[in-house]
Amino acid sequence: DSGVTQTPKHLITATGQRVTLRCSPRSGDLSVYWYQQSLDQGLQFLIQYYNGEERAKGNILERFSAQQFPDLHSELNLSSLELGDSALYFCASSVGQGDGTGELFFGEGSRLTVL
Amino acid sequence: TQLLEQSPQFLSIQEGENLTVYCNSSSVFSSLQWYRQEPGEGPVLLVTVVTGGEVKKLKRLTFQFGDARKDSSLHITAAQPGDTGLYLCAGEIRGSRLTFGEGTQLTVNP
Repeated sequence: DSGVTQTPKHLITATGQRVTLRCSPRSGDLSVYWYQQSLDQGLQFLIQYYNGEERAKGNILERFSAQQFPDLHSELNLSSLELGDSALYFCASSVGQGDGTGELFFGEGSRLTVL
Repeated sequence: TQLLEQSPQFLSIQEGENLTVYCNSSSVFSSLQWYRQEPGEGPVLLVTVVTGGEVKKLKRLTFQFGDARKDSSLHITAAQPGDTGLYLCAGEIRGSRLTFGEGTQLTVNP
């Protein structure tokens, strides 16, 4: 158990819909990262928050947004969903700001299926 | 184009065999990490290497960071079915986030 909690574990929805994925980081970790894992593209970095502020942005689509709340949990919002958005979405947390060699602790992921 | 290329993509071997998987890049990394991911779970960190030429051992797993810090290898001795999983390397270029390779899917058959 990594200590990172993600909900829901599975989600099936239709094209054009909007979903919210939730992540609670490990106790004491200030950084939250979101990654997308698909069969053809591996683990792609989407976005990082540190102590409530956006810290780094990766290959995140404009239809996607995220935020980190004062209690440090984070939400990833995916809107106008397309078939290609079907993937595993992982949240990870770390103690530091992510600019060192710190370990990332991953949740079990949220599997999104868009029909 | 992947910043980190992992090879082979798939590897299926018998219990007791040795194997090596590779992680290569044209970029210099300030550090490189190896993770293992099992079905239904998130990746779990195995090791971090930071110095060119560094070798680290974790039981039957040996990790090496290339002298130029552009490549790394993971060698498993006497593989066991419990070693089955997706092995991911992830490199950090100073000022950027960790970049993951696409992984090597290892299956160890009993």
